[in-house]
Amino acid sequence: AAGVIQSPRHLIKEKRETATLKCYPIPRHDTVYWYQQGPGQDPQFLISFYEKMQSDKGSIPDRFSAQQFSDYHSELNMSSLELGDSALYFCASSSRGEQPQHFGDGTRLSIL
Amino acid sequence: QQQVKQSPQSLIVQKGGISIINCAYENTAFDYFPWYQQFPGKGPALLIAIRPDVSEKKEGRFTISFNKSAKQFSLHIMDSQPGDSATYFCAASSNFGNEKLTFGTGTRLTIIP
Repeated sequence: AAGVIQSPRHLIKEKRETATLKCYPIPRHDTVYWYQQGPGQDPQFLISFYEKMQSDKGSIPDRFSAQQFSDYHSELNMSSLELGDSALYFCASSSRGEQPQHFGDGTRLSIL
Repeated sequence: QQQVKQSPQSLIVQKGGISIINCAYENTAFDYFPWYQQFPGKGPALLIAIRPDVSEKKEGRFTISFNKSAKQFSLHIMDSQPGDSATYFCAASSNFGNEKLTFGTGTRLTIIP
């Protein structure tokens, strides 16, 4: 069965650079969630989209923005990167009214 | 402020034994409680989930017990196997799971032969 696809799997950036993370949800899933997981920590919710509209917002820095496109894929744009942004970034997708959220294998972002 | 509290932080169980992980929540709006299993370098994968209208749900070797009045739920892994060694997260969501997941802090489970 098709799963959530995230790209790239690994990304190395320097401080103050920008990064774009991509997420391709499971076909026919209309909702996308982004989570950030620091080393040894639990995933923290950043932002979600339903039918291309932002549906909820968590502890996402103002330096980050995201959107969901007409084909339902989503992109997380991160600017002015800081050392503390080093983490695993997960995307999850679901179909509204149906659980569960299915997670991709994440993008490991390292800031040097 | 951790809305979902999970214990223990780490757990070592012998092969064939029962692994038990506990979670407690505060927000009474939560109405969907999944457990996720995560291996290193992988995303969380759903194991089993429960809604508060039932007190127990079993799928294979995995059982969730739910106590609505105490706002607690637990995962039991029967006949634990070395392949079960992973990090386990409890989580909670509202609107029947159509909202963001709030995760517990995770339990690193190690099954020894």
